[in-house]
Amino acid sequence: DGGITQSPKYLFRKEGQNVTLSCEQNLNHDAMYWYRQDPGQGLRLIYYSQIVNDFQKGDIAEGYSVSREKKESFPLTVTSAQKNPTAFYLCASSGSDREDYGYTFGSGTRLTVV
Amino acid sequence: RKEVEQDPGPFNVPEGATVAFNCTYSNSASQSFFWYRQDCRKEPKLLMSVYSSGNEDGRFTAQLNRASQYISLLIRDSKLSDSATYLCVVNSGYSTLTFGKGTMLLVSP
Repeated sequence: DGGITQSPKYLFRKEGQNVTLSCEQNLNHDAMYWYRQDPGQGLRLIYYSQIVNDFQKGDIAEGYSVSREKKESFPLTVTSAQKNPTAFYLCASSGSDREDYGYTFGSGTRLTVV
Repeated sequence: RKEVEQDPGPFNVPEGATVAFNCTYSNSASQSFFWYRQDCRKEPKLLMSVYSSGNEDGRFTAQLNRASQYISLLIRDSKLSDSATYLCVVNSGYSTLTFGKGTMLLVSP
């Protein structure tokens, strides 16, 4: 079955550490996205990539970095510069039919700073 | 004005009731509109796309009013399993989607 996989499901980070969240899709989608969701808040766009080896900052890119070396993979690194990283992180992808079908989301990673 | 605005609720309704959610958006150039459903501590899932002519999928009906920049979702014959947060989603014109904060629905027996 095609889908989008995020790992790990839960992640604990010590202050000052960098951590990398994995996102892999086998839907053959060109575009991939990272969102952050805080309790009672909407999804906020961190980074997105419409094609391999290219990505753009979203609304809240500070303290985060990404890479897009393969079509299937779009890992997100939460750096020590991100002052409030505890949140629910969602990866999504979309194909050429996104005007009709929107995004497909992974099941998310819950990051907690301890 | 926020890009996508929704009443956060919660909307508390009994089983079998009809409930309607509204959403307004600020970008008049938006072309794609969706309703997503998000269960507690889960990822959002596409409920339905919203087309200019309006569309229906079983108990769910979505309407779009471009002149007023307004989208609605009507749920008929509510089920307990409809309890969730409903996200109004609009394309921002930069090939990305902007999500509202969601409206929480609680259906009780």
